[in-house]
Amino acid sequence: NAGVTQTPKFQVLKTGQSMTLQCAQDMNHNSMYWYRQDPGMGLRLIYYSASEGTTDKGEVPNGYNVSRLNKREFSLRLESAAPSQTSVYFCASSEVAGVRKYFGPGTRLTVT
Amino acid sequence: GQQLNQSPQSMFIQEGEDVSMNCTSSSIFNTWLWYKQEPGEGPVLLIALYKAGELTSNGRLTAQFGITRKDSFLNISASIPSDVGIYFCAGPANYGGATNKLIFGTGTLLAVQP
Repeated sequence: NAGVTQTPKFQVLKTGQSMTLQCAQDMNHNSMYWYRQDPGMGLRLIYYSASEGTTDKGEVPNGYNVSRLNKREFSLRLESAAPSQTSVYFCASSEVAGVRKYFGPGTRLTVT
Repeated sequence: GQQLNQSPQSMFIQEGEDVSMNCTSSSIFNTWLWYKQEPGEGPVLLIALYKAGELTSNGRLTAQFGITRKDSFLNISASIPSDVGIYFCAGPANYGGATNKLIFGTGTLLAVQP
């Protein structure tokens, strides 16, 4: 039982490049989330998926797209990376509207 | 919009000391959560609070849901080196709504010197 896994752990991109961050959970949770963490800002919600087949914008969705591939997997895509997207990205999952959210170990992304 | 302010921003203490930190908001929350994040890891839920005035413990940690519903407090007694990390408060983005959207505070960094 791995919980929430994320790949890659680290990534460096040049401005304008694209990439997809992968997230998977093995807890049979319905809801999944993508957050970004910046120094002094706490965690901010980018997108979430309340259940398989649905996605909704969070607090800071601009520049990102998401895909809920199936119940287990929720990916985050940067189509044209910008330096402002340099951050640590966390995926999380929970039961529907669940209070307890389980976080992955994070992906450290640097955009130069 | 809703914001959560945490204080202090950082604390540097000696092992064995007690720690207090708080989280305040300009708007009402119906649930308060406290998370801990260790270096290189994702946040882990420590305590969840659901009613105004509620006091809940988890080992050496005790958290309280403020009676105004606009604040919450976390205390750690007899700190140990493994308490090091960033402590975040969090609450649902819309009062009375589902907790799918959490707002996180800016965090309190705790360093414990042996």
